Amino acid sequence: DTEVTQTPKHLVMGMTNKKSLKCEQHMGHRAMYWYKQKAKKPPELMFVYSYEKLSINESVPSRFSPECPNSSLLNLHLHALQPEDSALYLCASSQPRNPKGIAFFGQGTRLTVV
Amino acid sequence: DAKTTQPTSMDCAEGRAANLPCNHSTISGNEYVYWYRQIHSQGPQYIIHGLKNNETNEMASLIITEDRKSSTLILPHATLRDTAVYYCIVSYLGGYNKLIFGAGTRLAVHP
Repeated sequence: DTEVTQTPKHLVMGMTNKKSLKCEQHMGHRAMYWYKQKAKKPPELMFVYSYEKLSINESVPSRFSPECPNSSLLNLHLHALQPEDSALYLCASSQPRNPKGIAFFGQGTRLTVV
Repeated sequence: DAKTTQPTSMDCAEGRAANLPCNHSTISGNEYVYWYRQIHSQGPQYIIHGLKNNETNEMASLIITEDRKSSTLILPHATLRDTAVYYCIVSYLGGYNKLIFGAGTRLAVHP
């Protein structure tokens, strides 16, 4: 099973709403990632968790709050977003410290902020 | 992280080989070359990766030059379903696989 599952697939939220994106994998991977992808642009790294600890925050605004409650789950909590935050949010996982570790991506959550 | 340079777009006839080049002249000795592709609005899909030897799997072949400053992804018999954006990424596998995406090559396969 090389699947990374993201829910929901689509989300529309108002600027005053609080919502969460969920990512789950059962490959035993201990590194998990959030990427943001605007239309016609490449994915941009937001956060990296390694062994359930936040390892990288690519200067992401605090209205995006990641959480890794266990080794299989990764959440992205959203609060007070702006319309320009509308994008495809991608989750990925890989096995750290493995020279042949491959990152697998989910299908993404398409977020629209209104 | 080493930077990669790829053509913005390429065309290929269905059934022919698609050869996608990538320059990574600043690659360091412990960095791998990864190829991913992204079909419209889907998550990136892993294709292949290599360190210095040529690699082949069921999807593609990866040819890395001896000086490791460039590589070519080969799709041996392109189909319409191979139409996608192809990303060449150079990454060091330390504690985790930090993939930084460049602009990629938009490959269009035509009937």
